[in-house]
Amino acid sequence: AQKVTQAQTEISVVEKEDVTLDCVYETRDTTYYLFWYKQPPSGELVFLIRRNSFDEQNEISGRYSWNFQKSTSSFNFTITASQVVDSAVYFCALSESRMDSSYKLIFGSGTRLLVRP
Amino acid sequence: EAQVTQNPRYLITVTGKKLTVTCSQNMNHEYMSWYRQDPGLGLRQIYYSMNVEVTDKGDVPEGYKVSRKEKRNFPLILESPSPNQTSLYFCASSLGLGVAQYFGPGTRLLVL
Repeated sequence: AQKVTQAQTEISVVEKEDVTLDCVYETRDTTYYLFWYKQPPSGELVFLIRRNSFDEQNEISGRYSWNFQKSTSSFNFTITASQVVDSAVYFCALSESRMDSSYKLIFGSGTRLLVRP
Repeated sequence: EAQVTQNPRYLITVTGKKLTVTCSQNMNHEYMSWYRQDPGLGLRQIYYSMNVEVTDKGDVPEGYKVSRKEKRNFPLILESPSPNQTSLYFCASSLGLGVAQYFGPGTRLLVL
């Protein structure tokens, strides 16, 4: 069965610190997709990144970077020089590619990040 | 503007009184899903739909019904709500498998 674990329930940092949010996943499929979503205090869910299982290249987008390692089944998210606006709950999610074209998306329990001024 | 809309945004009801939460998307997406968000549990998928008249259960379907009669709409029906269905509900849509989902603003439901 597929599973996503975000072991860090809450993280608190001071502005300008770097912070890494961990995501470990379990799946028996060879083809799957991984996502990160951000939920700011206003409550909406904002898509950040998608990665498929065949693309292990790390990605950088401004202050955000993602490290995908199939060997350890991890898809970690790093924020460099954190800002107060980064305060939010961050979710990692996994979707498998199934022969029957079913579409299930499994979310981790989320990591609440607080960036203090 | 591309968006997913949900109504109502907030709802307080009593046990057993049937209710419907509507969801509509204007992006011509085939896939739509419903999730509930509870503290410490993240988001859990209730039902999803791959196209008109095609729906399937997610991880927590008990107590819920859905229908997909039109591509743009995917209502969530609680025939007999119970207090354990108090939660924050999100509707989402996407172009297909393995692509980003667009989420609605959420519906906060309180069942007394």
